[in-house]
Amino acid sequence: GQNIDQPTEMTATEGAIVQINCTYQTSGFNGLFWYQQHAGEAPTFLSYNVLDGLEEKGRFSSFLSRSKGYSYLLLKELQMKDSASYLCAGMDSNYQLIWGAGTKLIIKP
Amino acid sequence: GAVVSQHPSWVICKSGTSVKIECRSLDFQATTMFWYRQFPKQSLMLMATSNEGSKATYEQGVEKDKFLINHASLTLSTLTVTSAHPEDSSFYICSARGVRESSPQHFGDGTRLSIL
Repeated sequence: GQNIDQPTEMTATEGAIVQINCTYQTSGFNGLFWYQQHAGEAPTFLSYNVLDGLEEKGRFSSFLSRSKGYSYLLLKELQMKDSASYLCAGMDSNYQLIWGAGTKLIIKP
Repeated sequence: GAVVSQHPSWVICKSGTSVKIECRSLDFQATTMFWYRQFPKQSLMLMATSNEGSKATYEQGVEKDKFLINHASLTLSTLTVTSAHPEDSSFYICSARGVRESSPQHFGDGTRLSIL
């Protein structure tokens, strides 16, 4: 079956760095997506990885290892506004997104 | 770029009413649009996938006669919740994807539906 696993909740301190891990099992693979969703709002696209390695975009970076079925989202210099849920989604061979349940990130001052 | 507009943002109506939600891609052509439902503190649940000019593909357990989807153009898809009941109250979110199948989905702001 197809499955996405990510931690339910994480807590970090303002100004620090946090890494949110995601492991995936999909039928075929056409990439790994990360989205941010603030409470009561719709998700917004953060990153897309289809090749192994690290993609950096400002304070956010996303990493992919296809051989391990593993990705992480790295957030640096955390700000209070980064408190949100972070959704990992794998794209299968039919270009369908398989969504994780999301990781709720709590930032403390 | 990649802006998706969803309207209305909030709907409160009586049981038995039909409610229509619009989803528009404003600055790109969306070959495929997706409709999701999300209950509080739960993950996104895909309801259906619609491709321009063809019938929508519904996920298992989603009643196609209850949730009517029309994708008449490359920039507009609509979801109509027919004869809505309180159990249909939820957060409905659309997303749109460009021509390339591996393109990211871009989401509208969602519609909060409350059926009294």
